[in-house]
Amino acid sequence: TQLLEQSPQFLSIQEGENLTVYCNSSSVFSSLQWYRQEPGEGPVLLVTVVTGGEVKKLKRLTFQFGDARKDSSLHITAAQPGDTGLYLCAGGLLNWGTSYGKLTFGQGTILTVHP
Amino acid sequence: DAGITQSPRHKVTETGTPVTLRCHQTENHRYMYWYRQDPGHGLRLIHYSYGVKDTDKGEVSDGYSVSRSKTEDFLLTLESATSSQTSVYFCAIRSKGTAGNTIYFGEGSWLTVV
Repeated sequence: TQLLEQSPQFLSIQEGENLTVYCNSSSVFSSLQWYRQEPGEGPVLLVTVVTGGEVKKLKRLTFQFGDARKDSSLHITAAQPGDTGLYLCAGGLLNWGTSYGKLTFGQGTILTVHP
Repeated sequence: DAGITQSPRHKVTETGTPVTLRCHQTENHRYMYWYRQDPGHGLRLIHYSYGVKDTDKGEVSDGYSVSRSKTEDFLLTLESATSSQTSVYFCAIRSKGTAGNTIYFGEGSWLTVV
C-alpha cells in the first residue's frame, strides 16, 4: 500500500505570512497533484507535477516535486484569507494505463488565514 | 466543472437499510471513481470503473458494491448501511487533456447513518 504523509495537519496563520505544506512518501509516484477544497464542495485541482525536480508557480503558490518523485511541497507567499481551505496532495501511480488513474491521497492540511 | 452530478447530495438513513448513490456524467468519460472522505484520512478509493460493466475494488471496498450499466452512470450501493459508513462520498472522472490525465471531482454526497 502506498502512503502519502502530509504535514502539518492544521495551520493557522496571519494574513501576509508565508507557509509551506509538505507531502512525503516512501513510494515513487509518476505524478503529484495538489487540490484545494472548500467546505461543502469537491476538491479542485490546483496543479499537477510530473517531472522530478519540477517547480510550478501559480500566482503566489509554488509547487515543487522532489528529485526522486517521492515528495512534494506547496509554498504560499503572503497568504490571504481567501487561501483558507483544505489542501490535499495526491499521488498517481507510475503507469496510468495499468493503474487506471487511481490516486493515493494525503490526509490533508486545513489552512486558516486570519485577517 | 467536468459535467459530474451526484445524487442525492444529502441523505440520512437508518442502520441496516440499503442506500444507493448515483454519479452521472455528461462527457462520455471512460474512467469513473468513488471515494469517501473522512477527517484525518484524506480521500480513500472505494471502487472504480474503466468501462461499462468493468469495475474493480479500491482500498476500502468492504460493505460497498457498484454498477455501471451505461457510460454516464456509476452507482454506489451500501447493501446494509452501518454507522461507520457515515461519510462524504465523492464521485470522480478521469479526463485526458493536453496537460495529461486529470481527475475531476463531483460536489459530494453527505451520508449520515443513524
